This record gives sequence, C-alpha cells and structure tokens, in this order.
Amino acid sequence: AQSVAQPEDQVNVAEGNPLTVKCTYSVSGNPYLFWYVQYPNRGLQFLLKYITGDNLVKGSYGFEAEFNKSQTSFHLKKPSALVSDSALYFCAVREAGSSNTGKLIFGQGTTLQVKP
Amino acid sequence: EPEVTQTPSHQVTQMGQEVILRCVPISNHLYFYWYRQILGQKVEFLVSFYNNEISEKSEIFDDQFSVERPDGSNFTLKIRSTKLEDSAMYFCASRTSGRAYEQYFGPGTRLTVT
Repeated sequence: AQSVAQPEDQVNVAEGNPLTVKCTYSVSGNPYLFWYVQYPNRGLQFLLKYITGDNLVKGSYGFEAEFNKSQTSFHLKKPSALVSDSALYFCAVREAGSSNTGKLIFGQGTTLQVKP
Repeated sequence: EPEVTQTPSHQVTQMGQEVILRCVPISNHLYFYWYRQILGQKVEFLVSFYNNEISEKSEIFDDQFSVERPDGSNFTLKIRSTKLEDSAMYFCASRTSGRAYEQYFGPGTRLTVT
C-alpha cells in the first residue's frame, strides 16, 4: 500500500536560516511526488512536484525538493527562510501507471514556524 | 489565475440530515476529486471522478456518499444522512489531462455535524 511519512510534527527555524521539511514515501512502483502548503483558513496550494528527470526540483516561493530513490525520500528545502513561510506543509505521493486515477496519498503534515 | 471554488465555506447540520457540498473546478480540467481532513488528522482521499463517472473511491466513501457533475461546471458531494464522524473539512480538487499533473485544491468546506 502507498504511504507517506512526515516524521516531524513541527519544524522551527530562524528567519534567514535554511530549512528542511522531511518526507519519506512508500509505493510499489515509480512515484510521483508533490509538496503542498496550507495557510490558515485556506486550501492546499501546490508548491512543486517530482515526476521524472533531475532529482532536484524547484518550485514556488524559492522552495526546492530533492528526490532520493535509494532513501525513498523527498525532502523540502529552502536556502533562506522567511517569516511568511510559516504554514502547514504536506507531502503527497501517487503511483505512476496507466490505471492510476491520480489519487494523492498525503502525509500527516508538518508545521513550519519561522521566527524573526 | 483560475481557481477551484467551494461553497459554502462552513456548513452546520444536525445528525441525520442531508448535505450537499458544492465545487466549481477549473474550467478546462477533466479529473475531479474530493478529499476530507478531520481536525488534526491527515488529508484523506474520498473519490475521483472522470468522464461523468466515479473512477475510484475509498472505503470511507460508502452508500451515504454520492457525487455528481450536474451541469458541466459544478461538482457536488452529497452526504445523505450525516453522522457526527462526518465532521471535517472537505476539499475539492481538479486537474487537467495527463497522468503527471498536479491537482489544484479549493479552499474547503468545513462541515460540522451536531
């Protein structure tokens, strides 16, 4: 069965410091991986995705993520955090394949707190 | 920029009542989804819809749930007889054709069953 784990409920960083939000996944085939961000009282906003190709993918707002097949990880990173990055971050996976309807399996979410 | 919209933003209903949650997906999208998020828990897949029929549903999506795309723009989720445990945030999502494209989510409807 497909699953996603985000091992940290909360990540605290100081503004200007680099940040990492961790994600590991489990699928039986090739994964498509996604990061979404949720601000209070808002829906999930797409940040970036890995489908194939370069293991380092870049997305919105200066975020990037690195796909590591051997470690089955897709950690979200940003070189310099902003206070406005404070939000709830979700990692999601879907299994590649023609029979897949595209449903996403989500991790439990990680709250990112960036302090001035 | 096109957005997925959902109405109402908050719905309060009594146990046993029927509710209909409405969504307007992005206009050129072909795949539609409902997810829910019980407070403090993961976002969970409920159902996917393509070509005017359900393509996949989860164990949560039992006979009390139904979906419809009545007029080519709206996409609705109906719960026939609500239970206390149906209280959650319900998200609609849509995506364009192709297997790799990301889903775009609406702002959600908070359903409170009393």
